[in-house]
Amino acid sequence: QVQLQESGPGLVKPSETLSLTCTVSGYSISSGFYWGWIRQSPGKGLEWIGTIYHSGSTYYNASLKSRVTISVDTSKNQFSLTLSSVTAADTAVYYCARDLTQGQELFSSGWYGAFDIWGQGTLVTVSS
Amino acid sequence: DNQMTQSPPSLSASVGDRVTITCRASQSISSHLNWYQQKPGKAPKLLIYAASSLQSGVPSRFSGSGSGTDFTLTISSLQPEDFATYYCQQSYSDPLTFGGGTKVEIK
Repeated sequence: QVQLQESGPGLVKPSETLSLTCTVSGYSISSGFYWGWIRQSPGKGLEWIGTIYHSGSTYYNASLKSRVTISVDTSKNQFSLTLSSVTAADTAVYYCARDLTQGQELFSSGWYGAFDIWGQGTLVTVSS
Repeated sequence: DNQMTQSPPSLSASVGDRVTITCRASQSISSHLNWYQQKPGKAPKLLIYAASSLQSGVPSRFSGSGSGTDFTLTISSLQPEDFATYYCQQSYSDPLTFGGGTKVEIK
């Protein structure tokens, strides 16, 4: 059974960098699938942050691209999110998730872009 | 960005009712539309992908239809465990975007 678990600080100061890790169990990241980060805040609803493939190819939401880095560590079966220069607007529940499509480029006709397995989510508050 | 608009924002229904939720995209998205269910304090759960494909393990009372800009999620006979918030999400154009949600409440 594939499971995802987010971890990282629950409180980050304004202007600092948010760092979260998603640990995958029950499946080897290096075997395939895309892996994504999504956040949810009361003000902006659900927002896609970005997606990574096991090879390291990344796709980011342009609205966050200048501040976001997603990376993968196949040896630890983890992928990570960093978001720099955070403000109160970055306060949200952050989820990691698996994209159910295999073997298709993002935004190609055969790519579903649907997240079928999610972590439980972790609340990150940006406050001094 | 492709804006996804759901209606209604909320609805009240009774157990056994047929419920329909609509989602409209600001630009055509072919059939690249997914539906999720979310309960309080939980992560979203995938119900339908590619507009009409039922995700494994999801009850058959859930169905999806539509293409282009207009889509619907139908629950044929509402069950107590179906009271939740439902979201649509498009995967046709960058960035992926979600609708604002429809909260299904008990009448």
